[in-house]
Amino acid sequence: GAGVSQSPRYKVAKRGQDVALRCDPISGHVSLFWYQQALGQGPEFLTYFQNEAQLDKSGLPSDRFFAERPEGSVSTLKIQRTQQEDSAVYLCASSLGQGPSGGYNEQFFGPGTRLTVL
Amino acid sequence: AQSVTQLGSHVSVSEGALVLLRCNYSSSVPPYLFWYVQYPNQGLQLLLKYTTGATLVKGINGFEAEFKKSETSFHLTKPSAHMSDAAEYFCAVSDLKGGGADGLTFGKGTHLIIQP
Repeated sequence: GAGVSQSPRYKVAKRGQDVALRCDPISGHVSLFWYQQALGQGPEFLTYFQNEAQLDKSGLPSDRFFAERPEGSVSTLKIQRTQQEDSAVYLCASSLGQGPSGGYNEQFFGPGTRLTVL
Repeated sequence: AQSVTQLGSHVSVSEGALVLLRCNYSSSVPPYLFWYVQYPNQGLQLLLKYTTGATLVKGINGFEAEFKKSETSFHLTKPSAHMSDAAEYFCAVSDLKGGGADGLTFGKGTHLIIQP
């Protein structure tokens, strides 16, 4: 079956431009996560959705970052007035969410969007 | 707050040799622990995970890891390295916020180099 897809795969923006990054999670997955991976670093948590509800946005680095998932499926991460420090790979992951017994469900990652801000 | 430390940003081994990638974590509660592999221009792929039960967990591609609570470690091993194992490896701990909101905290990664 189809995995998590992200588009575009590569994005080059001039400093000050707004960008929108799209994530299509696996069908039926309740939970959706966004991570930011700077060059040579591990991914860092940005935000989490359960269906359409954004339950945790503690990792968003500034108010220029905004994420939405209006229908509980596709999600968009928007960055306003991009800065050079926003250059990174943005990873999206989805999972089934918490199981009925409270157990852990694996996060499946997309290939990421590489954002370069000039 | 959770944290993960991976010792060695680069590890080089000969083909056929033992692979050992080190991971130590800090967590205020019993953790869920993971190893992911990332090939160039690809997303993260889960190698193995520890949640509960047996502390020695086996994953894909011949990798395994042992959870040692006393050492707060979760080192990744493979008895015999293959050229196709060359990749970036990340250790991660679940934030355990519950309700499915389990964001992951990652280490900085270890680049595994396989020498022919």
